[in-house]
Amino acid sequence: GEDVEQSLFLSVREGDSSVINCTYTDSSSTYLYWYKQEPGAGLQLLTYIFSNMDMKQDQRLTVLLNKKDKHLSLRIADTQTGDSAIYFCALQTGSARQLTFGSGTQLTVLP
Amino acid sequence: DTGVSQDPRHKITKRGQNVTFRCDPISEHNRLYWYRQTLGQGPEFLTYFQNEAQLEKSRLLSDRFSAERPKGSFSTLEIQRTEQGDSAMYLCASSLVGQGNTGELFFGEGSRLTVL
Repeated sequence: GEDVEQSLFLSVREGDSSVINCTYTDSSSTYLYWYKQEPGAGLQLLTYIFSNMDMKQDQRLTVLLNKKDKHLSLRIADTQTGDSAIYFCALQTGSARQLTFGSGTQLTVLP
Repeated sequence: DTGVSQDPRHKITKRGQNVTFRCDPISEHNRLYWYRQTLGQGPEFLTYFQNEAQLEKSRLLSDRFSAERPKGSFSTLEIQRTEQGDSAMYLCASSLVGQGNTGELFFGEGSRLTVL
């Protein structure tokens, strides 16, 4: 099955950029997603990228997709304390279009 | 609020008891998914419905688990004879799959199960 890997932790200073990385094994996904989860809350869709795109920008968020290396990244510009959360990359797989998630990256924004 | 709602938000039960969770998806969404999330992990797919039909179940869904979506709207997930390993957050998501949309999943806030 699909394997999705993320580093567990990332700390940045407020105002800096954050880059969260994700690698995967199955290249057949049509859509690749980034979700945000705050403590005790459900998953909030942040952005997604279609598999035939290399880059997508959405306000402070930039998604880069390198299909050759099977690498997806999320850059958050001007990171704020409110961005502290767990970030999950997810790939749409299978006939059910279910999502396969990475284990999440805990982003901590330091003042 | 027209998002996905789940009930109850928290459930504490003793080992061996049965529990049932309910999910109300976004109205007119034709797909409904159940996921399980344990501490420090991403959500794992359990099963999904297209309208009222349950079309796929993962290997994680043991015989003690049963899900229904009787009228193609709300869904229930029942766990019989709960075990401590069932302790997790159970997440429901819904989507509208069809021409011209991405089928993105909208998640509820989850039902946290603690089995003592």
